[in-house]
Amino acid sequence: DAGITQSPRHKVTETGTPVTLRCHQTENHRYMYWYRQDPGHGLRLIHYSYGVKDTDKGEVSDGYSVSRSKTEDFLLTLESATSSQTSVYFCAISEPYPGGEQFFGPGTRLTVL
Amino acid sequence: DQQVKQNSPSLSVQEGRISILNCDYTNSMFDYFLWYKKYPAEGPTFLISISSIKDKNEDGRFTVFLNKSAKHLSLHIVPSQPGDSAVYFCAASTTGTASKLTFGTGTRLQVTL
Repeated sequence: DAGITQSPRHKVTETGTPVTLRCHQTENHRYMYWYRQDPGHGLRLIHYSYGVKDTDKGEVSDGYSVSRSKTEDFLLTLESATSSQTSVYFCAISEPYPGGEQFFGPGTRLTVL
Repeated sequence: DQQVKQNSPSLSVQEGRISILNCDYTNSMFDYFLWYKKYPAEGPTFLISISSIKDKNEDGRFTVFLNKSAKHLSLHIVPSQPGDSAVYFCAASTTGTASKLTFGTGTRLQVTL
């Protein structure tokens, strides 16, 4: 299995509070991604990174920001959490070749009350 | 606008028989297609992929077929085993887009004894 960890694995928070989720990899893969999984939607891309300090928006980026100061860490921040951000969040990594598969972390279940 | 569609939310198959999971896409720019398997409380795991220049790819019990003219792909599992019970996601990517994946909504496969 690819060395990807996510922390925390579970979190319950209140509306309006800031939340940061962490993804850590030991594979030295260049690309990192954050997805959210919701019933009826599959997995949707929030943000991705193609290198240290290089990030871009995905399909559902509103309300989220990311940072990548080291190859191994990719942080996802909800500046002011809302109930619509209750979801399961997955981090993934890949190498930059066409069709390269992504390897996923175990996920973080976030509940915003 | 769902660019990758899995129209069957669930499928039940007897052990030993063939499981066929279907996926349709609308974006003709997609040139790689991947299947992921997901167990509850775990991250998705890569199963098999196919490039748009091929129409079939096999890996053990798993075969993926691609029909570009119909914008349709399918995953065949033969023979199906109880351990195959999971949610299967179809995903697609386009060369040059940082391997970003667009996922379908998933099909829950139940393999019964």
